[in-house]
Amino acid sequence: AQSVTQPDIHITVSEGASLELRCNYSYGATPYLFWYVQSPGQGLQLLLKYFSGDTLVQGIKGFEAEFKRSQSSFNLRKPSVHWSDAAEYFCAVARGGATNKLIFGTGTLLAVQP
Amino acid sequence: EPEVTQTPSHQVTQMGQEVILRCVPISNHLYFYWYRQILGQKVEFLVSFYNNEISEKSEIFDDQFSVERPDGSNFTLKIRSTKLEDSAMYFCASMGQGARGYGYTFGSGTRLTVV
Repeated sequence: AQSVTQPDIHITVSEGASLELRCNYSYGATPYLFWYVQSPGQGLQLLLKYFSGDTLVQGIKGFEAEFKRSQSSFNLRKPSVHWSDAAEYFCAVARGGATNKLIFGTGTLLAVQP
Repeated sequence: EPEVTQTPSHQVTQMGQEVILRCVPISNHLYFYWYRQILGQKVEFLVSFYNNEISEKSEIFDDQFSVERPDGSNFTLKIRSTKLEDSAMYFCASMGQGARGYGYTFGSGTRLTVV
């Protein structure tokens, strides 16, 4: 069965510092991978997605993620964090087929300090 | 950009009451989903709906839950007799045909509080 692991429950970075949020997945075939961001009390906003092709994916708000098949990882990065990036970040994987349901990781809560 | 619309944004109900959560998916999408997120926990899959029938449901989606697409635009989740543990944020999502080239679009959620 597919699963997604986000090893870091809580991360604090300084504003302007670089950021990397880790995501590892378990899936037998080529996965479809997603990163979502959720501000407190809000819905889920898609940051970026990977289906195939170039393993470095650019998203919104200056985020990027790199798919590494050999490491079963899809880590999210941002070169310079802004205070408004404080939120919870969820990695998710989808399998193919008629259902295409998303399996989410447990999330990483990002705090940004001045 | 097309949106998935959910109503109400917040609902408070008494234990044992029936609730209906409503969603208007993106009009040309074919796959519809309900997910829930208990406070402080991860987002969990409840049910997927395709071609006017349930295509998959999780173990959470027991006989107390049902989904409908009554008029070709709305997509509803009904909980027949709510329990305290049904308190959560419920997200509707829709997706175009095939995962390749599409991302799921989520609604902003309905926060259900069972008292």
